[in-house]
Amino acid sequence: DAKTTQPNSMESNEEEPVHLPCNHSTISGTDYIHWYRQLPSQGPEYVIHGLTSNVNNRMASLAIAEDRKSSTLILHRATLRDAAVYYCILSGGSNYKLTFGKGTLLTVNP
Amino acid sequence: DGGITQSPKYLFRKEGQNVTLSCEQNLNHDAMYWYRQDPGQGLRLIYYSQIVNDFQKGDIAEGYSVSREKKESFPLTVTSAQKNPTAFYLCASSKAEGVGGSPLHFGNGTRLTVT
Repeated sequence: DAKTTQPNSMESNEEEPVHLPCNHSTISGTDYIHWYRQLPSQGPEYVIHGLTSNVNNRMASLAIAEDRKSSTLILHRATLRDAAVYYCILSGGSNYKLTFGKGTLLTVNP
Repeated sequence: DGGITQSPKYLFRKEGQNVTLSCEQNLNHDAMYWYRQDPGQGLRLIYYSQIVNDFQKGDIAEGYSVSREKKESFPLTVTSAQKNPTAFYLCASSKAEGVGGSPLHFGNGTRLTVT
């Protein structure tokens, strides 16, 4: 299974943009890049996903490198409610076996 | 609103007892999943099901069993053979078509403590 690499932790200030990186050098052509976030004692929440082009939704933006070996989740203005563990995972073709790593713990300072 | 319901939120059992965790979804999703999460760790896949009456082992299936008799329901049984059952258990579902591009929807988990 293709794996992803994320920093263990990142810190940001409230109302500033946050760029969360993810490396996936072994990504295959059919792998989608998904991002989820998890608050303590809750289930993960879907944030955004994409295949090749950059994507925007009401929560965040996803910037995908041209070679698709890395991607960046962008939170345009961090709030205290954005403090969570963020997971980057690959989901490909008919592969139902999705692997979550430890993710990035984002701390947002007031 | 559609979603996934896991019950109970907290569950306590004595060692040696089997216990069944409930997961129900009303999203009309074909695929369902069970994950286990230990403190400070990521999620590990226990079992998944692509369609009714069919399921496959994930990475850590030993000591667990599942059934998928209805599309809406995917209960997980933690058996006495599971050596370290205390954990946070998460159920999820997704559409089956174009699965790579189908987001997972998670429940809010069941925290199982076995003493």
